[in-house]
Amino acid sequence: GENVEQHPSTLSVQEGDSAVIKCTYSDSASNYFPWYKQELGKRPQLIIDIRSNVGEKKDQRIAVTLNKTAKHFSLHITETQPEDSAVYFCAARLRGDDKIIFGKGTRLHILP
Amino acid sequence: DAEITQSPRHKITETGRQVTLACHQTWNHNNMFWYRQDLGHGLRLIHYSYGVHDTNKGEVSDGYSVSRSNTEDLPLTLESAASSQTSVYFCASSERQGAGTGELFFGEGSRLTVL
Repeated sequence: GENVEQHPSTLSVQEGDSAVIKCTYSDSASNYFPWYKQELGKRPQLIIDIRSNVGEKKDQRIAVTLNKTAKHFSLHITETQPEDSAVYFCAARLRGDDKIIFGKGTRLHILP
Repeated sequence: DAEITQSPRHKITETGRQVTLACHQTWNHNNMFWYRQDLGHGLRLIHYSYGVHDTNKGEVSDGYSVSRSNTEDLPLTLESAASSQTSVYFCASSERQGAGTGELFFGEGSRLTVL
C-alpha cells in the first residue's frame, strides 16, 4: 500500500522567515497530494492540495511543489507569522482509491 | 450548515470493556473514515467505508470494527479495550473521486483513555 514519509518532525523558524516541509510517497499511482494544518486541540483542516498533473500551486503565502519522477512533494510557507504555528500533515491518495494516507506530521514553531 | 460530529468527545474506560465512538455527518458524503492520532505516529487509518454496507480495513484495524447501515453514520467499536488504544480518534468524510475536490472533512475528535 501507499506509504508517506515526512520530514522534519519538528521545525523552528524565526517570524518572517520561510519554512519548508518535505514528503515522499511510495506508490507512483498516487495522484492527489493534500496538506492539512492542525492547530493545538483542533481538528485537521485542508490548507492546500496539488494533483499529479500540476508541478506547483500557490495560495498567498503557501505553495506546494510536486516532483513525480522523484515521488517527492513539499510545502513552502513564506513570511511566516505566529498563527502559522501548528502541526502540518502531508498526505497522498491513489488513483482509483478514495482513502488518504498521512505522513507523521511536522510541528512548526514560529519564534518571535 | 453541513457538519460532521463525534460523540463522546472524551471517554475514560477500563481494559476489556466494549466502547463505541459515534460519527455522524450531514454532508451526504459516500466516504467515511476513522483515524487515530498518536504522538510520533501522525494520523493512522483504522477503518473506512465507501458507501452503505461497505467497510474496509485500514493500516491499524486490529481490535476495531465498524458498520455502515446508512449514509450518515459510521460508528467505531472497540470490542475489548486495551491500554494501547488510548488515543485521539478522528472521524472524517469526503466525496468520491470525481464527484468533488477529494477534501477530507474531520470531526472534532474523541479522546479515549483506557485504564
